[in-house]
Amino acid sequence: GENVEQHPSTLSVQEGDSAVIKCTYSDSASNYFPWYKQELGKRPQLIIDIRSNVGEKKDQRIAVTLNKTAKHFSLHITETQPEDSAVYFCAASKGWNDMRFGAGTRLTVKP
Amino acid sequence: DTAVSQTPKYLVTQMGNDKSIKCEQNLGHDTMYWYKQDSKKFLKIMFSYNNKELIINETVPNRFSPKSPDKAHLNLHINSLELGDSAVYFCAIGAANSPLHFGNGTRLTVT
Repeated sequence: GENVEQHPSTLSVQEGDSAVIKCTYSDSASNYFPWYKQELGKRPQLIIDIRSNVGEKKDQRIAVTLNKTAKHFSLHITETQPEDSAVYFCAASKGWNDMRFGAGTRLTVKP
Repeated sequence: DTAVSQTPKYLVTQMGNDKSIKCEQNLGHDTMYWYKQDSKKFLKIMFSYNNKELIINETVPNRFSPKSPDKAHLNLHINSLELGDSAVYFCAIGAANSPLHFGNGTRLTVT
């Protein structure tokens, strides 16, 4: 099955700085790449996603880039705020029934 | 209305017992998953169902048996519980190349 690797496992930034999380995937047939944010004690929630026919997508302070050739995609958060502190997961899917997650990145934004 | 309803929220039980976790969705999507999230926060796929048919079974011990009585329900029965089964179990609902909707999770503690 698909293998998704995510780096770094922990990331600490100062408020206002940018944060970047990177993921790679193994199956070139994967065509859908969501990012989830999980706050302590809560369920993962979608923050942004990208499909394989798009190279970049932006939503306010959050952006995602996809390089299909290299099979990697990244999450960029600009102007970080303390409420951005959470665990972030990337995922990859190639169809109906198979969404695989990266190991997660614990982001801490220091005020 | 909650899109994905998972019960119970907490489950504390002793080793050797049998327990069940229930999941119900009102989104009308065909695909339902069970994920296990361990203490290191890794979201590991266990099973996926499409229209009541088991599609993925990720080398999960036979003690775990999913059952989908209809498209709106996916239950997880666990026999002979072990200490290592302690984790948070998430039900998730999805459609092709679309984000997953997670339930609130069931925190299982085996003592």
